[in-house]
Parts: sequence; structure tokens; C-alpha cells
Amino acid sequence: NAGVTQTPKFRILKIGQSMTLQCTQDMNHNYMYWYRQDPGMGLKLIYYSVGAGITDKGEVPNGYNVSRSTTEDFPLRLELAAPSQTSVYFCASLGGGSEQYFGPGTRLTVT
Amino acid sequence: QQQVKQSPQSLIVQKGGISIINCAYENTAFDYFPWYQQFPGKGPALLIAIRPDVSEKKEGRFTISFNKSAKQFSLHIMDSQPGDSATYFCAATGNQGGKLIFGQGTELSVKP
Repeated sequence: NAGVTQTPKFRILKIGQSMTLQCTQDMNHNYMYWYRQDPGMGLKLIYYSVGAGITDKGEVPNGYNVSRSTTEDFPLRLELAAPSQTSVYFCASLGGGSEQYFGPGTRLTVT
Repeated sequence: QQQVKQSPQSLIVQKGGISIINCAYENTAFDYFPWYQQFPGKGPALLIAIRPDVSEKKEGRFTISFNKSAKQFSLHIMDSQPGDSATYFCAATGNQGGKLIFGQGTELSVKP
């Protein structure tokens, strides 16, 4: 069981560029989440999904998009990168219990 | 009403001492209160959690104290060790798709 995996680990983007952050889980969890972590701010929910084909906005969705075509994958898309999107991004999944399992994160810098 | 406020922002404790981190919430619909531990360069991992039907939960050196009337809960780390040095986040959820509301985090440093 690899758990929740994220790629890439690090990325530097120029303003206006686009990219997709990948997230995969092998625990057959229905619920998946994307958070961003900024210093002193905790983790903020960007988008979440309760199952394949179903997504919904979290607290800070502007500038991001998601899709959930399979149970395993939940990619996060940045269309026009802005410096305000410099952050560490975490993907998480939730199974039948209450514990969310987090991936190792993607550190993104937009310059 | 969705906020979870956490304090202190940083904490320095001597080895063997007690570390105490506090959180307060406003939404009375919250019914699950986990604490996550995060080491540098890693994702958060569940440390311990409590539901509001009990006032205390202990797992090894880690204890959650919960005060429903005050809408506060705290993490106590007994006999703190240098290996406990990490960032700790409290969180809360009200069963709305499992969405967690996180506190701001506390950076704990345990000095040998």
C-alpha cells in the first residue's frame, strides 16, 4: 500500500503558466481533498470529492480546478499561475473511518 | 463560525516537560476533533482524536482534554521528547463530507 502519492514534489512556475498537480490513492477511498498550506495559516481546503464524478468547492477554490474521473485519481489544475498560489499543496483521502490520510505534498513557487 | 483558533503559534519546551497546545471553536455542529502532527517536508498525520461525548482521551504520552461548554480542546504531551519536535494542528469537522477546518498550527521545539 503506497497510500496517497503526489507528483511532482517541487515545481517552479512563471506567472501565467499552467500545471496539474497529480494525486493518487490506492486505498479505494471515496473521499479525496486538496489543501494548501501557508506559513502561520494552517491548511485551507481548496476542493474536495465524495466519489468519482463528484467534486465541490472548499474554502479557497479561486484559481483552481479539479476532476475526479476515477476513484484513485484527483488531479488539481492551475490554469493561470499567480504569485499568490505559491504554497505547499497536500492531497488527502478518507475511507470508512474518520482519519484523513495525507500525501507528502507538492511545494510550488510562482515567480 | 467555521474557524478554529489555535495557540500558541510556537512553543519551546525542555525535554521531560509538558507541552500544552490549545484550540477553540465556534460551530457547535462540530463532532470530531483530531490533532495532526507534521514533520518538516512531510504531510500531516493523525496523532489522536476525540468526539464530544467524552472529556478526555489518552494515548500513551498524548492526551486530549475537551471542554464542550467552553468550546475548547487541548493537546497535552507528557514527558516531551526531542523527537516530538514538529508542527501540530488541531482540526474540527461536522460530518460535512469529512471536511476538516484546521487551526493555524503550533511549531513545537523540545530542547534536550
